[in-house]
Amino acid sequence: DTEVTQTPKHLVMGMTNKKSLKCEQHMGHRAMYWYKQKAKKPPELMFVYSYEKLSINESVPSRFSPECPNSSLLNLHLHALQPEDSALYLCASSLLANEQFFGPGTRLTVL
Amino acid sequence: AQSVTQPDIHITVSEGASLELRCNYSYGATPYLFWYVQSPGQGLQLLLKYFSGDTLVQGIKGFEAEFKRSQSSFNLRKPSVHWSDAAEYFCAVGEGRDDKIIFGKGTRLHILP
Repeated sequence: DTEVTQTPKHLVMGMTNKKSLKCEQHMGHRAMYWYKQKAKKPPELMFVYSYEKLSINESVPSRFSPECPNSSLLNLHLHALQPEDSALYLCASSLLANEQFFGPGTRLTVL
Repeated sequence: AQSVTQPDIHITVSEGASLELRCNYSYGATPYLFWYVQSPGQGLQLLLKYFSGDTLVQGIKGFEAEFKRSQSSFNLRKPSVHWSDAAEYFCAVGEGRDDKIIFGKGTRLHILP
């Protein structure tokens, strides 16, 4: 299996909802990432997990809560989001030297 | 601090024509360099990478890139573009000490029939 999968593909949520994004890889990669991407912009790094431990948090608001239950799975828990949080959320994984492989993304709309 | 500059926001070429997308980076040592492609609403696909060794690297889909240390550049080339190459292209640089890569702002490629 040589891909990163993300579910769901699309998510619409209200500002009071709690939802989760899921990312999975079975390539044996040691690092997993969450990025946020707004239209016509490059991806912005949010979190990095290395060997299942949070290694980088780019000062992301606490309404975004990452979780890495095991080496293949990465979740992003969402709570009390704002409309400006609407974006494409990308997951990536890497084995070495920053070479990251991306999933197809989850398109999030916050109403 | 590292930075990546893609000078061209949009590039338009005719189908069958050659392509060169520019990327300049700012970094003290030899960086890890990447080109990614993104179709609308999709994830990023790695086209090619440079870590060390031969400065001309071959990638997928007929793309190549050349690392030029003297010019701090890593330009992406393709001898003959296809309509399916229309997409957003991102150059990225990493330093290998941590897990971060820095993206350029991207170049949108348009293909004329």
